[in-house]
Amino acid sequence: KNQVEQSPQSLIILEGKNCTLQCNYTVSPFSNLRWYKQDTGRGPVSLTIMTFSENTKSNGRYTATLDADTKQSSLHITASQLSDSASYICVVSARTGGSYIPTFGRGTSLIVHP
Amino acid sequence: DAGVTQSPTHLIKTRGQQVTLRCSPKSGHDTVSWYQQALGQGPQFIFQYYEEEERQRGNFPDRFSGHQFPNYSSELNVNALLLGDSALYLCASSFRGSTSYNEQFFGPGTRLTVL
Repeated sequence: KNQVEQSPQSLIILEGKNCTLQCNYTVSPFSNLRWYKQDTGRGPVSLTIMTFSENTKSNGRYTATLDADTKQSSLHITASQLSDSASYICVVSARTGGSYIPTFGRGTSLIVHP
Repeated sequence: DAGVTQSPTHLIKTRGQQVTLRCSPKSGHDTVSWYQQALGQGPQFIFQYYEEEERQRGNFPDRFSGHQFPNYSSELNVNALLLGDSALYLCASSFRGSTSYNEQFFGPGTRLTVL
């Protein structure tokens, strides 16, 4: 069974600090891994995507890493801002036939305090 | 260019009733996927529609059904509602022929409450 596990479940940091979120997965056959940001009551928005051959991808203050051997990924947020408060979801997709079927993690809830 | 739109925004139903949720995909997209997101959980894949047919299905009972129209818009129907069906229902669209690994764009969701 394909699974995506995220840690920590929740995190509270002060504005301006850095943080790292973790994602472990067992998804086969692996196609790609995305990190999404989901504000409360809104749909998820893609931050980064990585394929098997990529091990780092940046998007502004967000940097994602992927270790396909250990099946782990991390999302590093630099110089956090209040607007970073959201749920961060790791999504790993398997390619089945002509479709990409995603498996979602439960997310890490990040709260940034002033 | 409008992104993915969903209607209604919120909905309140009672147990046993039936509900229909609607989704219009992002312009240029031909594939629609539906997800159920319970409070505090990640989205769970319900099914995916392409060329007006259900192509993939997650682990959801037959009470959950859908439809895709020729203009690529889609409906999600849930029959015999249970309290446990209360959730945020997300629609995501993508372009099947995309080389960008089928990036999905999500709508804002429909919040369904079953009393």
